[in-house]
Amino acid sequence: SQKIEQNSEALNIQEGKTATLTCNYTNYSPAYLQWYRQDPGRGPVFLLLIRENEKEKRKERLKVTFDTTLKQSLFHITASQPADSATYLCALGGNNDMRFGAGTRLTVKP
Amino acid sequence: NAGVTQTPKFQVLKTGQSMTLQCAQDMNHEYMSWYRQDPGMGLRLIHYSVGAGITDQGEVPNGYNVSRSTTEDFPLRLLSAAPSQTSVYFCASSTRGRSEKLFFGSGTQLSVL
Repeated sequence: SQKIEQNSEALNIQEGKTATLTCNYTNYSPAYLQWYRQDPGRGPVFLLLIRENEKEKRKERLKVTFDTTLKQSLFHITASQPADSATYLCALGGNNDMRFGAGTRLTVKP
Repeated sequence: NAGVTQTPKFQVLKTGQSMTLQCAQDMNHEYMSWYRQDPGMGLRLIHYSVGAGITDQGEVPNGYNVSRSTTEDFPLRLLSAAPSQTSVYFCASSTRGRSEKLFFGSGTQLSVL
């Protein structure tokens, strides 16, 4: 069955460091992958989309990579700030379907 | 621009009661959907609609009903609430379809006692 795993439930890092979140999947061939941010008590907010034929995508301090051979996406936040603290969800899409991972809760400490 | 609006924010039901969660969007999106979010699990699709008058089942449709009489509104009905339906419910919409960038509402936290 299809499985999406995000590296850990929680990740704690120091302000200014780079946060790296992992999304691994099995039994799936997504056409693209999305990352969302979710704050407590709020709905997810779209951040980035990367397609299967793209290796890397950047948006300000965010960088996403997509390796279809390893079946993995990495989500980086450089120069992290306490305001980046949130839960980050990956979602795999294609063929009119989309599946979400359970998310990684990131805490950036000042 | 309001985006996707969900009501109520919180709800407590007793087992067997019925209720409707409301969802409205003002972006003229064709696609609307309902997800539930449980601890340790990804968002799971309950029902979705690709346009007014058209609805279909997602991964976990049992115990829920939907209708889409207008482009703007997509209510979710719990027919006879069960404790297993205790969850946070999100409505989401997109311009074209299920696998496009989704715009989410702020959620409804439902407890069934």
